[in-house]
Amino acid sequence: DAGITQSPRHKVTETGTPVTLRCHQTENHRYMYWYRQDPGHGLRLIHYSYGVKDTDKGEVSDGYSVSRSKTEDFLLTLESATSSQTSVYFCAISELGVSWTDTQYFGPGTRLTVL
Amino acid sequence: KQEVTQIPAALSVPEGENLVLNCSFTDSAIYNLQWFRQDPGKGLTSLLLIQSSQREQTSGRLNASLDKSSGRSTLYIAASQPGDSATYLCAVTGTSYGKLTFGQGTILTVHP
Repeated sequence: DAGITQSPRHKVTETGTPVTLRCHQTENHRYMYWYRQDPGHGLRLIHYSYGVKDTDKGEVSDGYSVSRSKTEDFLLTLESATSSQTSVYFCAISELGVSWTDTQYFGPGTRLTVL
Repeated sequence: KQEVTQIPAALSVPEGENLVLNCSFTDSAIYNLQWFRQDPGKGLTSLLLIQSSQREQTSGRLNASLDKSSGRSTLYIAASQPGDSATYLCAVTGTSYGKLTFGQGTILTVHP
């Protein structure tokens, strides 16, 4: 299994509070991703990173920010949590080769509930 | 915008049966297609990756095919087992940086 951990694994918070989720990898992969998984929507990309301090938005980035100060860590911050951000959040990593052909390895997920 | 659809949404079969899961995508300009497995409460595990220039990939009892021009892929599972019970997800990479667009998955139940 790829060395990816996510913390916390479960969190309950209240509307309006900031929340930070952490993804940590031991594979030294360059690319990292945050997805959310919701019933009826499947997995959707929130943000991704293609190197230290290099990040960009995905499909559903509103209300989220990210930071990557080290290769191994990718942080996802909900600036002011809302109930619509209740979801399961997955981190993924990849070391893409030519033509983006490498697979992605996923972490175990963080279940976030916003009350 | 790329859209990925998986049919059926759920499938229940007896042990030993061969089965096919279907995936279709609207934009044929993809770099690759991947099939993942997800067990309840767990992350995703990559099963097979098919590059856009390939027609199929095989791993053990699994065989995935890709028809890029028609926007279709199938995952064939031979001699199904109860341990194959899981959600199977199809995803395509159609843009740079490996960003994935997922289907909503097929929930497979293999009963003894």
